[in-house]
Amino acid sequence: NAGVTQTPKFQVLKTGQSMTLQCAQDMNHNSMYWYRQDPGMGLRLIYYSASEGTTDKGEVPNGYNVSRLNKREFSLRLESAAPSQTSVYFCASSEMTAVYGYTFGSGTRLTVV
Amino acid sequence: DQQVKQNSPSLSVQEGRISILNCDYTNSMFDYFLWYKKYPAEGPTFLISISSIKDKNEDGRFTVFLNKSAKHLSLHIVPSQPGDSAVYFCAASAGGGGADGLTFGKGTHLIIQP
Repeated sequence: NAGVTQTPKFQVLKTGQSMTLQCAQDMNHNSMYWYRQDPGMGLRLIYYSASEGTTDKGEVPNGYNVSRLNKREFSLRLESAAPSQTSVYFCASSEMTAVYGYTFGSGTRLTVV
Repeated sequence: DQQVKQNSPSLSVQEGRISILNCDYTNSMFDYFLWYKKYPAEGPTFLISISSIKDKNEDGRFTVFLNKSAKHLSLHIVPSQPGDSAVYFCAASAGGGGADGLTFGKGTHLIIQP
């Protein structure tokens, strides 16, 4: 089925470890996004890529890096995980316009101990 | 400073009645508004949207109303069904067609009681 695929679905890291969250979409969308959801905080934008070859910081970029590998794939990297990065991470994609909304993946639940 | 506010963390409605979810915003540059629905352990799914040039948009049981002067929008669900029980997020775009990201509210947990 067409959509946004995120891997892994669950991950436990120790403080200081690094990891990369993978995201791929097969809808030929131009724009891709990484959000985090924390209890009582809604969804907050970490980084986005409006088109292939560009990336920009969102509301909460500190501690993260991203790579737009190609039009399909957008990865999020934690270089040195901290407990404050314990969250549910969602990847999304869209056309250049938000008219039809974003399509979200099912999320990655990350725990940093 | 929160630019999109959903002041009701939860709402309980009887099956068959109307559910009204509210959202306020502070950024006058927002020109497109969207509602998302989220079930536990799933990603949010797009529900309905409205442009700032309109004051109402309908899609089946779902209607979104926009009051620009009050910087307020609401989502009406009529009639409410058990499957509507979920967290609903209000989101807004400030130009650029949303390609530079949507700003989300904190969500309202809607509970439909039988």
